[in-house]
Amino acid sequence: KAGVTQTPRYLIKTRGQQVTLSCSPISGHRSVSWYQQTPGQGLQFLFEYFSETQRNKGNFPGRFSGRQFSNSRSEMNVSTLELGDSALYLCASRAGTGGGQPQHFGDGTRLSIL
Amino acid sequence: GQNIDQPTEMTATEGAIVQINCTYQTSGFNGLFWYQQHAGEAPTFLSYNVLDGLEEKGRFSSFLSRSKGYSYLLLKELQMKDSASYLCAVLNSGGYQKVTFGTGTKLQVIP
Repeated sequence: KAGVTQTPRYLIKTRGQQVTLSCSPISGHRSVSWYQQTPGQGLQFLFEYFSETQRNKGNFPGRFSGRQFSNSRSEMNVSTLELGDSALYLCASRAGTGGGQPQHFGDGTRLSIL
Repeated sequence: GQNIDQPTEMTATEGAIVQINCTYQTSGFNGLFWYQQHAGEAPTFLSYNVLDGLEEKGRFSSFLSRSKGYSYLLLKELQMKDSASYLCAVLNSGGYQKVTFGTGTKLQVIP
């Protein structure tokens, strides 16, 4: 069974640009979550999608948005990039949102803002 | 609100036992996860506790006390490959249960 796939692996952008990151969950998983990971802050929750609807949201500005498609693939968009957006963006999928179903993470997209 | 605390760094000797603590405060609790993350890699699932007590899985064990808002991960017979960050994550109760991570404990295993 293929794992969670994130593309691209690395991305370099400049301030003010926008970026779209992609995540394909494990087959059969309907929940996709996005996290930002930085050395000082750890894993910060961005949002979670289930059946194409945003179910949970973290404390990030509106420049961060996402969506989920009918095949459960998800995209995350960041507009008007700032230097502080440089981070590893991780996507995680789980079969459902109840009980102790663990999240399975992709290898992440490392975003660098110049 | 929610607050999850873990030590930032720990060092332990190969072959020894190490305990990594996690304390949490949350308005609704439905379980706690431990993940391992090697440098430059994705986090991988280690354990899930929802009831009080100890869950053992080979060299790794995880303990939970719901009344104290406390968990620990116990690693026995440490190996060099156990050098990694260990993330504690709380699963909130509610319809669409959100997972919130602590900042992680970076464990260095030395010879």
